[in-house]
Amino acid sequence: GAVVSQHPSRVICKSGTSVKIECRSLDFQATTMFWYRQFPKQSLMLMATSNEGSKATYEQGVEKDKFLINHASLTLSTLTVTSAHPEDSSFYICSARPGTGYSNQPQHFGDGTRLSIL
Amino acid sequence: AQSVAQPEDQVNVAEGNPLTVKCTYSVSGNPYLFWYVQYPNRGLQFLLKYITGDNLVKGSYGFEAEFNKSQTSFHLKKPSALVSDSALYFCAVRSDSNYQLIWGAGTKLIIKP
Repeated sequence: GAVVSQHPSRVICKSGTSVKIECRSLDFQATTMFWYRQFPKQSLMLMATSNEGSKATYEQGVEKDKFLINHASLTLSTLTVTSAHPEDSSFYICSARPGTGYSNQPQHFGDGTRLSIL
Repeated sequence: AQSVAQPEDQVNVAEGNPLTVKCTYSVSGNPYLFWYVQYPNRGLQFLLKYITGDNLVKGSYGFEAEFNKSQTSFHLKKPSALVSDSALYFCAVRSDSNYQLIWGAGTKLIIKP
């Protein structure tokens, strides 16, 4: 149980393109999903917390107009990298947590999206 | 302030030997502690968690971790390492009053045959 699907797994596109990444919880409902960015040989950097039916909470330094997050249902959150540039190239990972509020359930992760902007 | 420390960037262990990956934490309130494993170009897989109760927690793939409140530690252990255990391991913590996880820097575990 607790499977999270992330799509696509890899994207290669030209500078200026907008890229949408989907994160789905397949067998549970998630009022809260998380978007992370991971640089090579580094830990996870939380970009934003996505809450179903409300605006995402962005971490300091993350441009909300650059990284658009939509969490329209209890099983789907999307991250759109708008007008992507080479510096946006990275490994993006989503996670979802069963339960609500301060649930002690662990986060379950998608397999990540490798984004390469040429 | 909440924080997690994984003091070792890399741990090398011979196959069949016991392994330990260290984690210490600082959090206000009661800690919720988690261990995750990441294989190359993949997301993270949940291994185990401590919320309350028995200090020794057993998880996936034969891993276990011991919560030590006085030392504020939550070290990951396995009695006999496998080559397939080679991966990147992350410790994470949050308090019972905050939903956000704080992540350690990760420890690369290399198991040599």
